[in-house]
Amino acid sequence: DAKTTQPNSMESNEEEPVHLPCNHSTISGTDYIHWYRQLPSQGPEYVIHGLTSNVNNRMASLAIAEDRKSSTLILHRATLRDAAVYYCIGRGGGSNYKLTFGKGTLLTVNP
Amino acid sequence: SQTIHQWPATLVQPVGSPLSLECTVEGTSNPNLYWYRQAAGRGLQLLFYSVGIGQISSEVPQNLSASRPQDRQFILSSKKLLLSDSGFYLCAWSVGTGSSEKLFFGSGTQLSVL
Repeated sequence: DAKTTQPNSMESNEEEPVHLPCNHSTISGTDYIHWYRQLPSQGPEYVIHGLTSNVNNRMASLAIAEDRKSSTLILHRATLRDAAVYYCIGRGGGSNYKLTFGKGTLLTVNP
Repeated sequence: SQTIHQWPATLVQPVGSPLSLECTVEGTSNPNLYWYRQAAGRGLQLLFYSVGIGQISSEVPQNLSASRPQDRQFILSSKKLLLSDSGFYLCAWSVGTGSSEKLFFGSGTQLSVL
């Protein structure tokens, strides 16, 4: 998996948008960018993934830079339930079954 | 729909005692199965993964072992627990291969070795 770099922590206010950055300068052309989040005392849950185009789903949006060296996870309106650790992962394919989680970004949402 | 069951939710064990954590998946066939561990305040460490019955790959040398006796059952074991085995243990499953493969995690077991 490609090495990723994320800020250790970020803070947001409730009802405001949140932009969580991730750098993945060594990503290969076939690596997907995955985002997971982990709420306190729970297992991680899948949020979104993409390859080149921006992606949207009911949880979030993923904006991928044109050179694919960085991406941003966008929570359009943060809620208190979005407080979690967010992991950005550059996912290799082929016979690589391993998904490597870094330390992620701890998002704090203020009421 | 697919579901993953992991138990127990919490476990307190003395040093030197054995360990057995079980994980089962429902609603899918031939899943890839994973055991991760998360030490307090740290990231997730992949311990084992399995692509089929009896096929186990170990990621790091350790005091633990894994087995997959049935297609949708994954067991994490230890003969003698160490203090350093304490942590949050997570089972996960996925289907298919390739870089778009998604993982689905269980609710975890918080293990305290005293």
